[in-house]
Order: sequence, then structure tokens, then C-alpha cells
Amino acid sequence: QVQLQQWGAGLLKPSETLSLTCGVSGGPFNGYYWNWIRQTPGKGLEWIGEINHSGRANYNPSLQSRVTISVDTSKNQFSLNLSSVTAADTGVYYCARGIQLWLTYMDVWGIGTTVAVSS
Amino acid sequence: DIQMTQSPSSLSASVGDRVSITCRASQSISNYLNWYQQKPGTAPQLLIYAASSSPSGVPSRFSGSGSGTDFTLTISSLQPEDFATYYCQQTYSRPYTFGQGTTLEIK
Repeated sequence: QVQLQQWGAGLLKPSETLSLTCGVSGGPFNGYYWNWIRQTPGKGLEWIGEINHSGRANYNPSLQSRVTISVDTSKNQFSLNLSSVTAADTGVYYCARGIQLWLTYMDVWGIGTTVAVSS
Repeated sequence: DIQMTQSPSSLSASVGDRVSITCRASQSISNYLNWYQQKPGTAPQLLIYAASSSPSGVPSRFSGSGSGTDFTLTISSLQPEDFATYYCQQTYSRPYTFGQGTTLEIK
């Protein structure tokens, strides 16, 4: 079955850039939207953005100025960059597969990466 | 952004009980509503999509209903493994937003 494996740095200093990658195995990469979602003490579950295999991305406006999501179809991977992090960005970051019918739902999730921002 | 409000925030119940969790959207979202279950230290898992549809593998004791602004997740007979936190999510418009969660605890 489809599995999402995510990796990236878990400890950052304020103003640094958070970088995470999610690899997809066991299923097709095309035909889905690939999402980043975070869970923080301050805001709970928050959708960060999504990208499809063509590189079409949509972002949460609250983070759009700092977020870039990219895709590497040759490796079945997609990545998240979040710049200028602060303590408010501390939390668990999940990648998730999005199925888009007339609505979207996230049916497969990575295990999460804990990110801490501290000086 | 569409605000999603769940009630109650926490709920104590016993094995075998029937429980319901509600989710209200700040505007009509048709049936663009999903439910997820999250256990401590793990990622959320999809329970219900499109308000009332169940993915394969989800036990039949979980059901969803509602349309417009008001939605309900019902567990017909609580099992020990159901004690967890439940979240609703709207995907009617971006940014997709989640409710604050309802934690189901053992009485």
C-alpha cells in the first residue's frame, strides 16, 4: 500500500528555513495532490499547502509569503520550505496524499516530523 | 477563511456507549466535510469523507451525517480503541481548515 516517508531537520533557530521532504512509495505519484499540514500548540491542525505532479501549487494565504512547495516526479518526492521561522512554527509537520474528486480528502499521511524552533 | 467549530471539546464515555460529535461551519460547505481520528503520537487517519462516506477498512460503527453548516460524527457502540481525538475538516474552499478537535475519554 501507499506509504509516505518524510525527513528533514527537526531543530532550527529563529529566522532559519525549515526544509522537509516526503517520499511516496507503493503507489502512483501522478493524479493526486500532495499536501503539507502542521499541528502546532497555537493553532492546532493547519493546512499549509498542496502540489500536484505538474507542479501546480496552492498555499494557505496566512503562510504564502514564506512557503514554497516543490515536486520531483523523477523521485516521487515533494518538499516543503518555510522561511524565516519563529517559535510559532514549532510543531509536528505531516505530509499527506490528497484525493480530489468534487471535494478533497487526505487518505494517507506520513508519520510526522517534529520541528522545534529555538535560539 | 471558513471557521470550523466542534462541540464538545471533550467527552467522557464508556465502552458500548453511542456518542455523537458535532461540527459547525461558519458558512455553507455543502457536504465538503471530512472527519479524522488521531491517537496520541500518531498522524490523523481518515474516518469519513464527503460528510457521510466511509473509506474501506473503517468500522461500520462510525457514521457521518449533515450538509450545509451542521455535521455530526456518530460512533454507535464505543470500543476501547476509539478513545482518541476527532477532527472535522472542510475542503469546500482553500485554505482547507480543521476544527479544534474533540477528545473522547474513557469514563
